[in-house]
Amino acid sequence: GESVGLHLPTLSVQEGDNSIINCAYSNSASDYFIWYKQESGKGPQFIIDIRSNMDKRQGQRVTVLLNKTVKHLSLQIAATQPGDSAVYFCAENMDSSYKLIFGSGTRLLVRP
Amino acid sequence: EPEVTQTPSHQVTQMGQEVILRCVPISNHLYFYWYRQILGQKVEFLVSFYNNEISEKSEIFDDQFSVERPDGSNFTLKIRSTKLEDSAMYFCASSSVGGRTEAFFGQGTRLTVV
Repeated sequence: GESVGLHLPTLSVQEGDNSIINCAYSNSASDYFIWYKQESGKGPQFIIDIRSNMDKRQGQRVTVLLNKTVKHLSLQIAATQPGDSAVYFCAENMDSSYKLIFGSGTRLLVRP
Repeated sequence: EPEVTQTPSHQVTQMGQEVILRCVPISNHLYFYWYRQILGQKVEFLVSFYNNEISEKSEIFDDQFSVERPDGSNFTLKIRSTKLEDSAMYFCASSSVGGRTEAFFGQGTRLTVV
């Protein structure tokens, strides 16, 4: 599942540092958000989700922050590891819809 | 761990030919989806399917596309007359609840139209 593109924004971090990946979503009516990770040759893999009645949710080494005022979503990865290297997509959903609307993705590179 | 499986992993077809992409969703899931990703671009929604009918489709999903659940396990996407611009990675996904929960994605089928 290549999400490689010449124009993907790239975040390069040192192994062990924290990473912050940002996403601006498009629809103010969206009320459910997911972060997906896509490694080369694979499909999108669920990381964490958040509903609009929350502004923060934590998982294992990951935290998602939601700012509905500015339609902004971020994914924080603590103690980034080489295995975190991938393309990360945010996706949004509205209550009236079945579809996920994906953002354009950010490539995360972890330097050893 | 249950997973969505897709076949084939790579399909090369001539322009104008019909192709069928196959998917086996997670067995207890009820909602099925097709998405595509043109190289270097976003993942785009094509269609959702529930209770043996299309529940939602995008403007990409025109008359050249169709979906079917021919038996209790398979979910297929058919493109009747492929065009060069149909070249993309096609992902099948499934979920237990429609749209409001984690959708599990397959590995994708790379379709190349020549």
